[in-house]
Amino acid sequence: AQKITQTQPGMFVQEKEAVTLDCTYDTSDQSYGLFWYKQPSSGEMIFLIYQGSYDEQNATEGRYSLNFQKARKSANLVISASQLGDSAMYFCAMGSMDSSYKLIFGSGTRLLVRP
Amino acid sequence: NAGVTQTPKFQVLKTGQSMTLQCAQDMNHEYMSWYRQDPGMGLRLIHYSVGAGITDQGEVPNGYNVSRSTTEDFPLRLLSAAPSQTSVYFCASSLDRDEQYFGPGTRLTVT
Repeated sequence: AQKITQTQPGMFVQEKEAVTLDCTYDTSDQSYGLFWYKQPSSGEMIFLIYQGSYDEQNATEGRYSLNFQKARKSANLVISASQLGDSAMYFCAMGSMDSSYKLIFGSGTRLLVRP
Repeated sequence: NAGVTQTPKFQVLKTGQSMTLQCAQDMNHEYMSWYRQDPGMGLRLIHYSVGAGITDQGEVPNGYNVSRSTTEDFPLRLLSAAPSQTSVYFCASSLDRDEQYFGPGTRLTVT
């Protein structure tokens, strides 16, 4: 069975600083994908970044990067130069490579950016 | 493109009532899924579909039915609502193995 663990229920970061949100996973699949989603207070789910298990390079999307350490089964999200608009819930999720429409989500981390 | 649309946005039901949550997408995506999000938790998969006429159960399917008669629509039916089904329901669609596009959600309260 697959499992996602996010151990930080809440975090603070100062505006313009970088922050790392932790995510560890467990799976017996050889091929899988890891996702990060942002959920602002308005409630919608916003896709941020994706990492495939066979991707050799860490994924990056603008200010978001995914620190993928396969041996440690971790997929931490790094947000650089935090902005006030980054305050939100952040969810890590995973799916098998051949069925990433069936995602398993972690419990989320609430990030608050301080001015 | 409207993306993934869900109706209604809010709904209050009494215990035992039935209703259908609507989900539609205009991106010609093969894959569609329904999730529920309870307070303080991540999303959990209820049912999913890999194409018209093909559906399967996810992690928490009890009390829900789905069907997929067209590529565009994937309704979720609550057969006999219970207070434990009070939640926010998200529909999602995807074309391939990466990004899922989520609808805005339906907030359901069962009294």
